[in-house]
Amino acid sequence: DVKVTQSSRYLVKRTGEKVFLECVQDMDHENMFWYRQDPGLGLRLIYFSYDVKMKEKGDIPEGYSVSREKKERFSLILESASTNQTSMYLCASSTRRGTDTQYFGPGTRLTVL
Amino acid sequence: EDKVVQSPLSLVVHEGDTVTLNCSYEVTNFRSLLWYKQEKKAPTFLFMLTSSGIEKKSGRLSSILDKKELFSILNITATQTGDSAIYLCAVEGYGGSQGNLIFGKGTKLSVKP
Repeated sequence: DVKVTQSSRYLVKRTGEKVFLECVQDMDHENMFWYRQDPGLGLRLIYFSYDVKMKEKGDIPEGYSVSREKKERFSLILESASTNQTSMYLCASSTRRGTDTQYFGPGTRLTVL
Repeated sequence: EDKVVQSPLSLVVHEGDTVTLNCSYEVTNFRSLLWYKQEKKAPTFLFMLTSSGIEKKSGRLSSILDKKELFSILNITATQTGDSAIYLCAVEGYGGSQGNLIFGKGTKLSVKP
């Protein structure tokens, strides 16, 4: 069974702090994704990666960066956290085939004070 | 353990058919149930359901929630080839499990001409 894990379930940070969110998948998936979910807005894609060291911007990349040094790990970085980045962050992974389902992690609820 | 189970896992129909997708759940302190359509990268939001028995409708798609029996259905009438996608169900908890968002494995729908 596919497992996608995220480093934290809940995080509280202060404005201006650098924040790292980590995601690990154990199924050798090529594709990995970072989303944020906000009430009334559904899932919004921040960044995705289709291979090690490869990344592409999603719909809302501003204020975020990512790192994929190993196939199983995809990190989301908030260089200088702001209150409007308070949200639920979800990581997902899938095989390279675009038609395959994405497997989601449990989410990290980030609060920026 | 909180979980979301979707059925069937895959489904092949012909254009014009009506389909019903199922989502059952067990989650602590239920808050909402969400349906998404995943075609390429980011799943697109379809419905959010919070109350039992109230049907939500958008064109040929409709959905309803039964909080007593802990399930939801997504109906698609007069299916078209453009409905081919993976349909994801997710359930959000709050309070003691605030921020808990669990996705099912999805139902892969293929609509043949």
